[in-house]
Amino acid sequence: ILNVEQSPQSLHVQEGDSTNFTCSFPSSNFYALHWYRWETAKSPEALFVMTLNGDEKKKGRISATLNTKEGYSYLYIKGSQPEDSATYLCAFKDQGGSEKLVFGKGTKLTVNP
Amino acid sequence: NAGVTQTPKFQVLKTGQSMTLQCAQDMNHNSMYWYRQDPGMGLRLIYYSASEGTTDKGEVPNGYNVSRLNKREFSLRLESAAPSQTSVYFCASSARAGPLHFGNGTRLTVT
Repeated sequence: ILNVEQSPQSLHVQEGDSTNFTCSFPSSNFYALHWYRWETAKSPEALFVMTLNGDEKKKGRISATLNTKEGYSYLYIKGSQPEDSATYLCAFKDQGGSEKLVFGKGTKLTVNP
Repeated sequence: NAGVTQTPKFQVLKTGQSMTLQCAQDMNHNSMYWYRQDPGMGLRLIYYSASEGTTDKGEVPNGYNVSRLNKREFSLRLESAAPSQTSVYFCASSARAGPLHFGNGTRLTVT
């Protein structure tokens, strides 16, 4: 059973605050770690696919880091805006050769104006 | 370019009825997935298919069957619906090592 944990479960910040949250995954047999952004009443949209230890990816004000040896990834949002309010999901794929992608339960971010 | 198309968008079933959720993608992706979304549970993988002709169980496969009809289509069947299968169902597809592209979801209620 692949255990993918995200923390915190929910987060409320003020507009302009920077914030970050965590995804923990099995450190053995790592293949890839995905981040998705999921707005209410929409479908999840991919932010990043990360495969290498030490990887750092950036998209506008959102960035992510990856540590495969200790099994965690951080997602950072700089200068949060109300439109950043969404649930952020991470998903893990192991090296078993299958295409199985298992999601964490997500971090729900609310940015107050 | 339609991406991933799921039908129907909404469905209400009585306990014991059967139905098939349809999913098609036009991106020439090898991998396709069915997830269910329940409050507080995130997305849980029901079944996936790494290529045409292959299917594998995910985290919560009981009560479901799937068919990878061809490279484009991946259907999910509920043979005898139960109230516990009330959920929002998402189909997704991806190229190997690529991100998932999701359909718009099917909201299913079983009474």
